Amino acid sequence: SQQGEEDPQALSIQEGENATMNCSYKTSINNLQWYRQNSGRGLVHLILIRSNEREKHSGRLRVTLDTSKKSSSLLITASRAADTASYFCATDPPESSYGKLTFGQGTILTVHP
Amino acid sequence: DGGITQSPKYLFRKEGQNVTLSCEQNLNHDAMYWYRQDPGQGLRLIYYSQIVNDFQKGDIAEGYSVSREKKESFPLTVTSAQKNPTAFYLCASSLLAGGAYEQYFGPGTRLTVT
Repeated sequence: SQQGEEDPQALSIQEGENATMNCSYKTSINNLQWYRQNSGRGLVHLILIRSNEREKHSGRLRVTLDTSKKSSSLLITASRAADTASYFCATDPPESSYGKLTFGQGTILTVHP
Repeated sequence: DGGITQSPKYLFRKEGQNVTLSCEQNLNHDAMYWYRQDPGQGLRLIYYSQIVNDFQKGDIAEGYSVSREKKESFPLTVTSAQKNPTAFYLCASSLLAGGAYEQYFGPGTRLTVT
């Protein structure tokens, strides 16, 4: 089964609202990354958070990591219609081969103008 | 203009034919990866390469083959042995192999086999 699982599977909000997506994983990790994918396109890296970090910010993005609960959340503040995309978490367990990220199934975010 | 290119964007093949998907990067990255994405699904790793002339099987390598003769190129061949080849294929690279490095993705190739 997938190491990372996102929740919810789909999220629909109005422009200006905040969007929160969650990622849970099963085993310990070295790092956790978040990616964004516009429909039919490649993925774009958003943030990497290491296992010894609890929170990171990048512009309107805030990522938290709780290793005791094996979970991470991605918060997008003041959402825009252009934020409409799928968002994936990817984990890097210690036992994985070099560079082998395991991706979750993603959260589909729709932001209505 | 640095990045990863994949060609073609759309590819159509008849069942029983092998097909090769191109992936080129000019980022001077050592590591390269091939993923498969099915509708509504996450990415599954097919093959990855940490360095030139070396590559490793991912989670779903059966029916696929790769080569890494040049640092900038990592072509994927979908063979006739792949039972369900219709999918969206994504190539990625990272500076070095390791989960501490972000991966840069190409635009993808959508393969349809009939």
